[in-house]
Amino acid sequence: AQTVTQSQPEMSVQEAETVTLSCTYDTSESDYYLFWYKQPPSRQMILVIRQEAYKQQNATENRFSVNFQKAAKSFSLKISDSQLGDAAMYFCAYRRGGSEKLVFGKGTKLTVNP
Amino acid sequence: GAVVSQHPSWVICKSGTSVKIECRSLDFQATTMFWYRQFPKQSLMLMATSNEGSKATYEQGVEKDKFLINHASLTLSTLTVTSAHPEDSSFYICSARDRPLLTYEQYFGPGTRLTVT
Repeated sequence: AQTVTQSQPEMSVQEAETVTLSCTYDTSESDYYLFWYKQPPSRQMILVIRQEAYKQQNATENRFSVNFQKAAKSFSLKISDSQLGDAAMYFCAYRRGGSEKLVFGKGTKLTVNP
Repeated sequence: GAVVSQHPSWVICKSGTSVKIECRSLDFQATTMFWYRQFPKQSLMLMATSNEGSKATYEQGVEKDKFLINHASLTLSTLTVTSAHPEDSSFYICSARDRPLLTYEQYFGPGTRLTVT
């Protein structure tokens, strides 16, 4: 079974600084997708960024970027120029190609200090 | 676009009663909807997948008779917690997948907090 591991239960960053959240996964599949979701205090899950395994180029969405290391099965999220609104729980998730199911990590709580 | 709503956002019920939670896709047709459960400070655990017009597929360990799921239309799925007990208290989140099939993108609702007293 696929597993997703987030080894950092909590992280903190100063406003305007950069922070990297770690995620590793375990799979024997070659076709899969990886996601980072943000869950703010409102509990609404928001998709931050998505990476297709077949793409070598790391995905980027404005201040959010990933470092996708396929061989190492690592998928870290970098948040640049951190803002107070970035404070939230961040979940890494995996989906096998052809499947609809998302497998979530346990999450990392990010605190942004002013 | 791609907005999913849930109702109610918070519900308190007495032990032994049943409670229904609605999940609606507001601006798209959802052939598939998903129900998750999230305990405090924990991750989301998939409970079941429901497809419009057919029976839901439950994950291992989820009681089908306790968590009744109905996906009667392309915009509405309901989760009924039957004979609720305090251990059923949790945060329930639904998500919906938009057509076409190629996207596989899931859009999440805001969640429903259930407290069983």
